[in-house]
Amino acid sequence: DADVTQTPRNRITKTGKRIMLECSQTKGHDRMYWYRQDPGLGLRLIYYSFDVKDINKGEISDGYSVSRQAQAKFSLSLESAIPNQTALYFCATSEGRGGFSNQPQHFGDGTRLSIL
Amino acid sequence: QKEVEQDPGPLSVPEGAIVSLNCTYSNSAFQYFMWYRQYSRKGPELLMYTYSSGNKEDGRFTAQVDKSSKYISLFIRDSQPSDSATYLCAMGMNRDDKIIFGKGTRLHILP
Repeated sequence: DADVTQTPRNRITKTGKRIMLECSQTKGHDRMYWYRQDPGLGLRLIYYSFDVKDINKGEISDGYSVSRQAQAKFSLSLESAIPNQTALYFCATSEGRGGFSNQPQHFGDGTRLSIL
Repeated sequence: QKEVEQDPGPLSVPEGAIVSLNCTYSNSAFQYFMWYRQYSRKGPELLMYTYSSGNKEDGRFTAQVDKSSKYISLFIRDSQPSDSATYLCAMGMNRDDKIIFGKGTRLHILP
């Protein structure tokens, strides 16, 4: 089984709908992240969480919200989806040792989201 | 100037050749460096992680960091068709929350 699992893998929906993407991990990592990947733009950070009580905005958080339900679960919501949110979305995790951030991130296989 | 620059390619090389992939960066505060490989319809997979200038070898892969020139490289020896993927460089700082990714280089190994 994958260490970082994202569901669904693919989703097609309409403008204005509320969408939730889910991420769960079995790595035991404290830190979790949501990115989107667009052609020519690379990976951009949406939100990140260092533990259940700690949520932080990334560079492109507008139009998105997150919930850290448990150490192992981090979900991303689009409250009212719009076409320019069509992208590949990735969840990632990393260890957080002693306050230092020098740990690599480990990714799930992504959710391909299309908004019509 | 962007924080991390990476040529998007595509880069096509014959099987068995040595591949060189590169990134430059502008922020001298970056302290640790990574290379990820991403196959189509999959997430980025960590290949190499280095924390200092110099070379680090793992099998057919060698990561090279030159902090004085703000330049990192990934070398792939004896390239195989299975190495065809997008390669992303990434880097970060201690006591910072984020990793900065390059946009990736698409690599094609021709049989």
